Amino acid sequence: EAGVAQSPRYKIIEKRQSVAFWCNPISGHATLYWYQQILGQGPKLLIQFQNNGVVDDSQLPKDRFSAERLKGVDSTLKIQPAKLEDSAVYLCASSLDWAGRQFFGPGTRLTVL
Amino acid sequence: DAKTTQPNSMESNEEEPVHLPCNHSTISGTDYIHWYRQLPSQGPEYVIHGLTSNVNNRMASLAIAEDRKSSTLILHRATLRDAAVYYCILEQLTGNQFYFGTGTSLTVIP
Repeated sequence: EAGVAQSPRYKIIEKRQSVAFWCNPISGHATLYWYQQILGQGPKLLIQFQNNGVVDDSQLPKDRFSAERLKGVDSTLKIQPAKLEDSAVYLCASSLDWAGRQFFGPGTRLTVL
Repeated sequence: DAKTTQPNSMESNEEEPVHLPCNHSTISGTDYIHWYRQLPSQGPEYVIHGLTSNVNNRMASLAIAEDRKSSTLILHRATLRDAAVYYCILEQLTGNQFYFGTGTSLTVIP
C-alpha cells in the first residue's frame, strides 16, 4: 500500500517569499491533516479536512497561511509571505475517516533565511 | 486541549524491556489513548491505542490504569531501531484531533 506522499522534501527560501507544499494522501482516506513541527517540539495541527471541507483550522495563521483540498484528494498548503519563525517541518497525514489511526508522510523541511 | 505529561528522555539497554509512562489526569470518558513514535527525519508512525482495557500488538503493549489517568507503553525487547521520540496523545472524539506534547526521547544502548 502506498503511503502519504509529500513534495518537495526540502525547501529554502528568503523571508517574505512565498512557498507551497503538496500532499497526496492514501487512496480512499477521507480525512487529511497538515501539521507544523518546529525543531524540538511535537507536531502542531494547522488544519484538518474531511473530504474537501475544513473541519478545524483554528491554529492556522490565516493572515499568511492557506490550504485547500480540491476534489477531496490532494492538498496544498501555502505560506505567503514567509517569516523566519515559519522554519519547520510541515507534515501531512491522512486517516480513513474522521476518527482513528493517522498515517503520516515524510514531511517537508522548510528553512526561511 | 487534552494534555499529557511524559518524561523528556529515557534510556534502555538493548534487548531489555522498556516502560514509557504517560500521565493524562484530565482525560475524559470518551478519549482514546494513542501512542505514536517518530524516528529521526521521518513522520510519526502509529504504535498502539486503547480506551480502557490493556492492548497488545506486534509492536508493543499498552497498560492503562484503572482510573485512566495514566498509561504505560511497554516495548518488550528494545532494539536499536526502537530509538525514537514516543508521543502519548489523547484523541478527543469530537474530531480526531491529536495534540502532541514534546514526547519522550528513547535512547537504546547497545
